[in-house]
Amino acid sequence: DVKVTQSSRYLVKRTGEKVFLECVQDMDHENMFWYRQDPGLGLRLIYFSYDVKMKEKGDIPEGYSVSREKKERFSLILESASTNQTSMYLCASSISGTGAYEQYFGPGTRLTVT
Amino acid sequence: AQSVAQPEDQVNVAEGNPLTVKCTYSVSGNPYLFWYVQYPNRGLQFLLKYITGDNLVKGSYGFEAEFNKSQTSFHLKKPSALVSDSALYFCAVRDRLNTNAGKSTFGDGTTLTVKP
Repeated sequence: DVKVTQSSRYLVKRTGEKVFLECVQDMDHENMFWYRQDPGLGLRLIYFSYDVKMKEKGDIPEGYSVSREKKERFSLILESASTNQTSMYLCASSISGTGAYEQYFGPGTRLTVT
Repeated sequence: AQSVAQPEDQVNVAEGNPLTVKCTYSVSGNPYLFWYVQYPNRGLQFLLKYITGDNLVKGSYGFEAEFNKSQTSFHLKKPSALVSDSALYFCAVRDRLNTNAGKSTFGDGTTLTVKP
């Protein structure tokens, strides 16, 4: 059974703190994604990685960075957390290629910045 | 460019009645289309996808979706709704011409409520 895990389900951080969100997949997928989900705004792509050490900005990369040192692990970093980054963060992975490959999602991390 | 729209924020149906959750899309070429479901406090789960061929696609939990190229739509359907179908549903599209093969665009989501 395919599995994407995220390091925390709930996280509370203070403004200005550096925050790390970790995601691990066990499916040997090349592609990994970080989204944030806010009510009424759907899923917005923050960053996308298509290989180890390779990354692309998504639709809302400002205030975020990512790291992918190993194929199975994709980290989202909030360099200096702000209250407007309070959100649900979803990690996903998929096979790479031109086919219709669906994404597999982790359970999400609900981050609150106070 | 690729985009997707879910025109209804909320859909309410009675248990046992048919349900439809609407999705329209826009792509430069031909689309791959997906439906995902999110149950409360859970991540998204894949339901079904359209690749090519038969316009009626069958997926998990008795759901199906109808691809209509002329109307650029991919509506999700189920003949008889269950209370347990209550969830948030997302439509997603990827243009086959999109050389960035992994990136899909998601709609804003539709909350389905099935009442007993």
